[in-house]
Amino acid sequence: DQQVKQNSPSLSVQEGRISILNCDYTNSMFDYFLWYKKYPAEGPTFLISISSIKDKNEDGRFTVFLNKSAKHLSLHIVPSQPGDSAVYFCAANYGGSQGNLIFGKGTKLSVKP
Amino acid sequence: SQTIHQWPATLVQPVGSPLSLECTVEGTSNPNLYWYRQAAGRGLQLLFYSIGIDQISSEVPQNLSASRPQDRQFILSSKKLLLSDSGFYLCAARDRGPHGYTFGSGTRLTVV
Repeated sequence: DQQVKQNSPSLSVQEGRISILNCDYTNSMFDYFLWYKKYPAEGPTFLISISSIKDKNEDGRFTVFLNKSAKHLSLHIVPSQPGDSAVYFCAANYGGSQGNLIFGKGTKLSVKP
Repeated sequence: SQTIHQWPATLVQPVGSPLSLECTVEGTSNPNLYWYRQAAGRGLQLLFYSIGIDQISSEVPQNLSASRPQDRQFILSSKKLLLSDSGFYLCAARDRGPHGYTFGSGTRLTVV
């Protein structure tokens, strides 16, 4: 049973517009959530995170929103740039700072010039 | 900050041959370590994790094994590779800060 789900395997957006990537989870015990970005043939890199006690975290063009009642989080990229084209993984943490992450299957974002 | 070294970057191996992928970590001590595999068009599958020397947990039954002979060394092995072992293998270490994991650059394994 998948505890972290990214239901859209791919998303295509025009340069300059907003990209919205979605993630749903089932376990209310997750204590924070993260987004990773992965280019082909490279390891994922950390992008942004949010604690379960927050509902929004912003870092430059990237904002993550958390809706605990809906068990849903989303990553907004504004404005989208061609260099943002990558696979984005949503992850949920349980067990505190030495716990394990559970990853979604990823969403491939394509930003077209 | 910690750095993950993973090698080789690419590997082509015949079916039935052995495998050894090595991962070493710098900049931290006693990290939790992980091996993931990303098959073509798929997500990240957790294969093994380790909380300390010689302490390995396997997440899925398979043709692979892992060992941690030293605190900052994590090795993925197989005695006889299968075609289905092809994929992109990633080593990761738990970050003590808010970034979750730090990943290595990965090994692309093709079994032919």
